[in-house]
Amino acid sequence: DAKTTQPPSMDCAEGRAANLPCNHSTISGNEYVYWYRQIHSQGPQYIIHGLKNNETNEMASLIITEDRKSSTLILPHATLRDTAVYYCIVRVARNFNKFYFGSGTKLNVKP
Amino acid sequence: DADVTQTPRNRITKTGKRIMLECSQTKGHDRMYWYRQDPGLGLRLIYYSFDVKDINKGEISDGYSVSRQAQAKFSLSLESAIPNQTALYFCATSWSGDEQFFGPGTRLTVL
Repeated sequence: DAKTTQPPSMDCAEGRAANLPCNHSTISGNEYVYWYRQIHSQGPQYIIHGLKNNETNEMASLIITEDRKSSTLILPHATLRDTAVYYCIVRVARNFNKFYFGSGTKLNVKP
Repeated sequence: DADVTQTPRNRITKTGKRIMLECSQTKGHDRMYWYRQDPGLGLRLIYYSFDVKDINKGEISDGYSVSRQAQAKFSLSLESAIPNQTALYFCATSWSGDEQFFGPGTRLTVL
């Protein structure tokens, strides 16, 4: 599975959109982009995933560039409870092979 | 996620002791996983199981063993605990290769 690069930390004001970037320049055509988050030592929580098209669910939106070498997770109205470490993971769906979490981005939502 | 439970939640033990961590799930998923997380780092896979008869080593399986007693139960054992196995341990489940759902974690300290 392709490796990913994320900034170690980001700040966001409460109520504003949080845009978390992820680079995955070696992604293959059959690899999906997954996002998880981990709130202070709790079990990681699935957020969203996508292949090519932009995706949206009740938690977030995922924007994948046309060349698929990078993506952005968007939390449209960040709250203090969104403070967490966000992990961007690239893997082939339904093929378990090194689900690599990396170090993620620590998002600090501030009042 | 309450559908994935781990026991115990916290454990302090001594070097050389045998320890078992248990994981149960009510989600009906076929796949189960054990990860460990060290402070400030991402998750690393220890073992995974695609079904009751299929168990596979992850990236850091040395010093650990597992047992899949039933589809809903997956136990992790440390045969002879050592201090560098002090970590946060997570169990996860998934339906085939879909997104993984994590338990609340077990904090293990080996003195």
